[in-house]
Amino acid sequence: GENVEQHPSTLSVQEGDSAVIKCTYSDSASNYFPWYKQELGKRPQLIIDIRSNVGEKKDQRIAVTLNKTAKHFSLHITETQPEDSAVYFCAPNDYKLSFGAGTTVTVRA
Amino acid sequence: DAGVIQSPRHEVTEMGQEVTLRCKPISGHDYLFWYRQTMMRGLELLIYFNNNVPIDDSGMPEDRFSAKMPNASFSTLKIQPSEPRDSAVYFCASSQNGARETQYFGPGTRLLVL
Repeated sequence: GENVEQHPSTLSVQEGDSAVIKCTYSDSASNYFPWYKQELGKRPQLIIDIRSNVGEKKDQRIAVTLNKTAKHFSLHITETQPEDSAVYFCAPNDYKLSFGAGTTVTVRA
Repeated sequence: DAGVIQSPRHEVTEMGQEVTLRCKPISGHDYLFWYRQTMMRGLELLIYFNNNVPIDDSGMPEDRFSAKMPNASFSTLKIQPSEPRDSAVYFCASSQNGARETQYFGPGTRLLVL
């Protein structure tokens, strides 16, 4: 929905490079910021999340950073691999329970 | 736990027919969500329940759509009559500890209305 914007909508990276997706939200009351990954033909699944009292969280090759003042949070994937190819959604817990429009990430071998 | 269970996984029907989609949430989860996903509109929240009570149905597109949750382990989404523009993947999801917490999605029902 328009309360949540993701950029870019598509991203193509060379295997081994990094990928960054940004999510901007409007509801200042949001305090939970998850990222979901959806592989082709599969269901969305949580890959990482962060709460408003933390600025950054890492889990192996993925990380999420949060800027509450600017109302955006980002997903960082390092050393990308072919299995990272998927659609990624941000879903800040705003009053509309909005999901971003999704970012299609393609990792080129 | 088996996760969120949805049935059927695929449904092909003709315009005007009634369609019923079913969902069993994860045991102990007190929130249940119904989503519709299309290429054009992305992932849309249709309705969600808390403790079997509908909380927000503002996403339900029109009166042809209805959802029920008769008990904590079962919910249905019904479309009557169905139209070709209802063709989409319908996901059910459940969560614990709040509507705004991690959601666990079912495998989805792929609906095609001819």
